[in-house]
Amino acid sequence: EAQVTQNPRYLITVTGKKLTVTCSQNMNHEYMSWYRQDPGLGLRQIYYSMNVEVTDKGDVPEGYKVSRKEKRNFPLILESPSPNQTSLYFCASSFPDYTGVQYFGPGTRLTVL
Amino acid sequence: AQKITQTQPGMFVQEKEAVTLDCTYDTSDPSYGLFWYKQPSSGEMIFLIYQGSYDQQNATEGRYSLNFQKARKSANLVISASQLGDSAMYFCAMRIQNRDDKIIFGKGTRLHILP
Repeated sequence: EAQVTQNPRYLITVTGKKLTVTCSQNMNHEYMSWYRQDPGLGLRQIYYSMNVEVTDKGDVPEGYKVSRKEKRNFPLILESPSPNQTSLYFCASSFPDYTGVQYFGPGTRLTVL
Repeated sequence: AQKITQTQPGMFVQEKEAVTLDCTYDTSDPSYGLFWYKQPSSGEMIFLIYQGSYDQQNATEGRYSLNFQKARKSANLVISASQLGDSAMYFCAMRIQNRDDKIIFGKGTRLHILP
């Protein structure tokens, strides 16, 4: 089954404790992306990757890191989480063209205390 | 600057009626794609429909159609014969073919279908 998986689905942590949210896709997509969703703000792109070893900042990259060492994986790293990073996070993948439909993971609800 | 605007934060519609969700966009690039996604209360993001900037005809997918007016830069989603299961948040998104390849979402419209 074609899918994007994210782990964990729910996470409660404390300020400053490094965490990683994993994302994996099995559709051989070159393009992968991370979004955060906040009430009233829609989805905002954090980082995206056009292919292995290629990453670029989206609209809200501050406080986040990513890496793309393999085509299928695109982890999101919060080195020192803060309460303003409490949000719903989505990973998505697609082919690298403006016609490419994005396929989303199930989302990760993160709470930073 | 590229931008997506959804002006309706919330809408209430009677079941079986048609509903139009508004989306306007702003870009100077000639090649772009417009997408609509549905997010039910369970939280997942579901792709509904796509319209390319060079497409001559409006896209349709079952009960969904996209009213694409290029000169007005609008890409409204039309849902015919609404059902209770259509109650959800709806997002309009734009993807542009340029060197950045960012993807931009609107803030969404929450649709409530009334029985």
